[in-house]
Amino acid sequence: NAGVTQTPKFRVLKTGQSMTLLCAQDMNHEYMYWYRQDPGMGLRLIHYSVGEGTTAKGEVPDGYNVSRLKKQNFLLGLESAAPSQTSVYFCASSYSPLAGNEQFFGPGTRLTVL
Amino acid sequence: AQKITQTQPGMFVQEKEAVTLDCTYDTSDPSYGLFWYKQPSSGEMIFLIYQGSYDQQNATEGRYSLNFQKARKSANLVISASQLGDSAMYFCAMIRRSNDYKLSFGAGTTVTVRA
Repeated sequence: NAGVTQTPKFRVLKTGQSMTLLCAQDMNHEYMYWYRQDPGMGLRLIHYSVGEGTTAKGEVPDGYNVSRLKKQNFLLGLESAAPSQTSVYFCASSYSPLAGNEQFFGPGTRLTVL
Repeated sequence: AQKITQTQPGMFVQEKEAVTLDCTYDTSDPSYGLFWYKQPSSGEMIFLIYQGSYDQQNATEGRYSLNFQKARKSANLVISASQLGDSAMYFCAMIRRSNDYKLSFGAGTTVTVRA
């Protein structure tokens, strides 16, 4: 099992460029999440999905879009990147948030927007 | 509003000693859960321990234990017999039924273990 994988691991964008981050999991999890991590602020939820074809907004959704066309994949898009989106992005998945099922995290994507 | 508070930005601990990391939370939801995750310098997030609001006993996982004081709304992580490999950032996180079970993280505590 690869667990949760993220592509790419690093990326540098110029302001206004677009990109898509790919998250894939092979654990048949229903729930998938995208977080961003900034220094001193912990992780903040951007968007999440409770199953194939569903998405919902998290704490900081502005400037991002997501899609979950396949159960195993969760895509995060930046349509017009801004320097404020410079961050480390983590994808996570879980079987169910109930009963203490942990979230499994990917290795992260370090994004710099110039 | 910040629901999870970790008041210790950084801590030093001597190898083989125990260390307690503080976590307080704010919720009126009777159904919630608390997680601790470890993030080493390599960046990955590692699940350590979970405590549910209805659990009668404090959770334990090897050298990790959770000191759950429900009335005080605190869920402190205790790491016993610290090892050099315990040097990392530690995050407390909460899920609440009233928040669709989304995970909310604290700002984290950096632990440095000294030889």
